[in-house]
Amino acid sequence: DTEVTQTPKHLVMGMTNKKSLKCEQHMGHRAMYWYKQKAKKPPELMFVYSYEKLSINESVPSRFSPECPNSSLLNLHLHALQPEDSALYLCASSQGSWSGPRVDEQFFGPGTRLTVL
Amino acid sequence: DAKTTQPTSMDCAEGRAANLPCNHSTISGNEYVYWYRQIHSQGPQYIIHGLKNNETNEMASLIITEDRKSSTLILPHATLRDTAVYYCIVPISGGYNKLIFGAGTRLAVHP
Repeated sequence: DTEVTQTPKHLVMGMTNKKSLKCEQHMGHRAMYWYKQKAKKPPELMFVYSYEKLSINESVPSRFSPECPNSSLLNLHLHALQPEDSALYLCASSQGSWSGPRVDEQFFGPGTRLTVL
Repeated sequence: DAKTTQPTSMDCAEGRAANLPCNHSTISGNEYVYWYRQIHSQGPQYIIHGLKNNETNEMASLIITEDRKSSTLILPHATLRDTAVYYCIVPISGGYNKLIFGAGTRLAVHP
């Protein structure tokens, strides 16, 4: 199984709602990532988890809260979002065995398209 | 990150080779070049990577110049399914495993 799955595919939420995005992989990967992609722009890294520990937070606002309950699952909890947070949220995973300048191949899910009203 | 520069868009006829250039003139001696692509409404997909030597896999070939300041991704027989945005990335060294995507090249393959 070389697939990263993301649920839901689409999400519409109000600015006062709390919702969560879910990502799952069964490739035995130990690194997982969240990216944000605005329309017609490249993906932007948000968070990196390595061996279930948060290793990179790219100065993401606290209204986005990541969680990695185990090595197969990654969640992104959303609270008090703004309309400008509407975007495609991509999850990725990799082996977690990078060293020096050589990085892992990252496997991406199809994304969750989020609309904040 | 070593900055990469790619053309905004390119066209290619179906069945012909698509040659996508990338400039990375500030690349360090031990930094790799990675290529990903993103087909519309899908997540990015890894294609290939290289350090110094030319590389080939089932998807594409990667040609890196001897001075390593530029590279070319070659899709030998482009199909309509290869229409996508292609990203050339030089990740930072230091063990962070970060991919910083630039604007990429939008490749349109036409019949």
